[in-house]
Amino acid sequence: NAGVTQTPKFQVLKTGQSMTLQCAQDMNHEYMSWYRQDPGMGLRLIHYSVGAGITDQGEVPNGYNVSRSTTEDFPLRLLSAAPSQTSVYFCASSYSSTRGRGSPLHFGNGTRLTVT
Amino acid sequence: AQTVTQSQPEMSVQEAETVTLSCTYDTSESDYYLFWYKQPPSRQMILVIRQEAYKQQNATENRFSVNFQKAAKSFSLKISDSQLGDAAMYFCAYRSTPFQGAQKLVFGQGTRLTINP
Repeated sequence: NAGVTQTPKFQVLKTGQSMTLQCAQDMNHEYMSWYRQDPGMGLRLIHYSVGAGITDQGEVPNGYNVSRSTTEDFPLRLLSAAPSQTSVYFCASSYSSTRGRGSPLHFGNGTRLTVT
Repeated sequence: AQTVTQSQPEMSVQEAETVTLSCTYDTSESDYYLFWYKQPPSRQMILVIRQEAYKQQNATENRFSVNFQKAAKSFSLKISDSQLGDAAMYFCAYRSTPFQGAQKLVFGQGTRLTINP
């Protein structure tokens, strides 16, 4: 049971570099999302998607880009990394509200990103 | 917008004793779900318990139970017979349930629980 697979687990970037965090799920979930976790702030929503071709901004979208070309994949792109983007990033998925009201999110194992 | 508040950044408890973690939330919705997630040092996010707002009965999962007070917008987690493996960061979370659209999950700040042997 793969569930939600996130890669890489760790990454160090220099300011201004770009990169893509990969996320894939094999549970046929419609809803996918990206969170960042910072000390004392819990998890904050960056972007989310309710299905292929549909994405929307969460609470802290600036500096990040997403796309959803398939049901399975939801990559997160950092266009020009900044030290403020140093964080732990989680991808999570679930059924949609029409297929599974209140269904819990299934999380990947996270990516620890450091921007120097 | 919904908000979730965990006012206890850190808690500690003796092994085998009972501890309660607090959570309050703010919403104008009447239909929603509440969750507690556990994050051990491995960084995994593990679902502990789920509560539907329309169900008056408090959810329980083995040693974990909740005290859900809808009118007070309070959702506390009780851990009975604490074990060393319960040491983790605990997050309270709120999920709206729109008929269509995104069921966004909003998290509290987290409570770090230490178990003393």
